[in-house]
Amino acid sequence: DQQVKQNSPSLSVQEGRISILNCDYTNSMFDYFLWYKKYPAEGPTFLISISSIKDKNEDGRFTVFLNKSAKHLSLHIVPSQPGDSAVYFCAAQSGYALNFGKGTSLLVTP
Amino acid sequence: DSGVTQTPKHLITATGQRVTLRCSPRSGDLSVYWYQQSLDQGLQFLIQYYNGEERAKGNILERFSAQQFPDLHSELNLSSLELGDSALYFCASSVGLAGTILTDTQYFGPGTRLTVL
Repeated sequence: DQQVKQNSPSLSVQEGRISILNCDYTNSMFDYFLWYKKYPAEGPTFLISISSIKDKNEDGRFTVFLNKSAKHLSLHIVPSQPGDSAVYFCAAQSGYALNFGKGTSLLVTP
Repeated sequence: DSGVTQTPKHLITATGQRVTLRCSPRSGDLSVYWYQQSLDQGLQFLIQYYNGEERAKGNILERFSAQQFPDLHSELNLSSLELGDSALYFCASSVGLAGTILTDTQYFGPGTRLTVL
């Protein structure tokens, strides 16, 4: 039973524009949400996180928005750069484990 | 480089066999986590150890077991291997216990790709 869902397997965006990656979750007990980025042949790398007590967290070009009532979060990358091309995983934490979505493959084209 | 190391990088074996995957956490990290990434399931949490003790279990099969040693490295043992066990196995580490508001981040190793023929 997938508790964290990323419904878009892939996304293509032009360099300089905004990339918006979406994530939905079903378990209202999740209290911490994270985004990881993964390049081929490497492990996931932590990108940004947000606590359930907040609705926005910003770090440079990356902003995560959380809508608890809709059980939805999104990652905005502005401006997008070719080096951002990777697979992005949304994860939700409850207790010790991270529950991951299946990932969205982002391609940023020049 | 996350500081988490995993060996071997690749492992090819036959059905019915037993293998051991090894993970060394980042210096100073006491928690180790194991995840499995298969094609159709995404990243699935298997098990967590904290300072040598098992702390949490996820979707880990009975044929799989893990342990964390006094030097904090961890091993994941997979036995009676089946074709469906072919996957990427990731180890992650964090400073301490997760699940607090100031949650400590999990840092992932590069993974071990297991192929069962």
